[in-house]
Amino acid sequence: AQTVTQSQPEMSVQEAETVTLSCTYDTSESDYYLFWYKQPPSRQMILVIRQEAYKQQNATENRFSVNFQKAAKSFSLKISDSQLGDAAMYFCAYKDSNYQLIWGAGTKLIIKP
Amino acid sequence: NAGVMQNPRHLVRRRGQEARLRCSPMKGHSHVYWYRQLPEEGLKFMVYLQKENIIDESGMPKERFSAEFPKEGPSILRIQQVVRGDSAAYFCASSPRTGRANQPQHFGDGTRLSIL
Repeated sequence: AQTVTQSQPEMSVQEAETVTLSCTYDTSESDYYLFWYKQPPSRQMILVIRQEAYKQQNATENRFSVNFQKAAKSFSLKISDSQLGDAAMYFCAYKDSNYQLIWGAGTKLIIKP
Repeated sequence: NAGVMQNPRHLVRRRGQEARLRCSPMKGHSHVYWYRQLPEEGLKFMVYLQKENIIDESGMPKERFSAEFPKEGPSILRIQQVVRGDSAAYFCASSPRTGRANQPQHFGDGTRLSIL
């Protein structure tokens, strides 16, 4: 069965600095997709970035980028120039040809002003 | 520009009552997924529905929980005889189609269910 692991329950970073959130996963599939979702205190679930496993190039969305290491089954999220509005729970999620999203337990990101 | 609409945002029920959670998918989406988020945890899949069909309910508790997505109207997640352990955030997501796993699921704001 596929699993997603986020080993950092909580991370903190100074405003304007860079932080990296870790995510590892386990699968026997070769074709799959990985996502990072953000859940602010308002509790909405917002898609931040996604990566197709067949693409070698790491996905980037403005200040958010990923480091996708397929062989290591690692999918970390880098947030550059951290802003106060980035404070939230961040969830890593996996999806293959099955429709279910498999979720990690989340990392709470604290931004220090 | 309507996204996935869930209502109510907050629902309070006493033990033994019924809870009904509603989800209207994004325009053009015909696939609906329900997830449950317990405090301090990630989301767990409950059920996947298409119009008038339950495709997979493997994540749904066998008793007291049911879901439907009628031809007309929103998808409904129904919890009968609620217990304290049902307190959670229930998220609905929709997508235009499956078979293409790169289609992201778009989430509603969730319904926070509290059982007194």
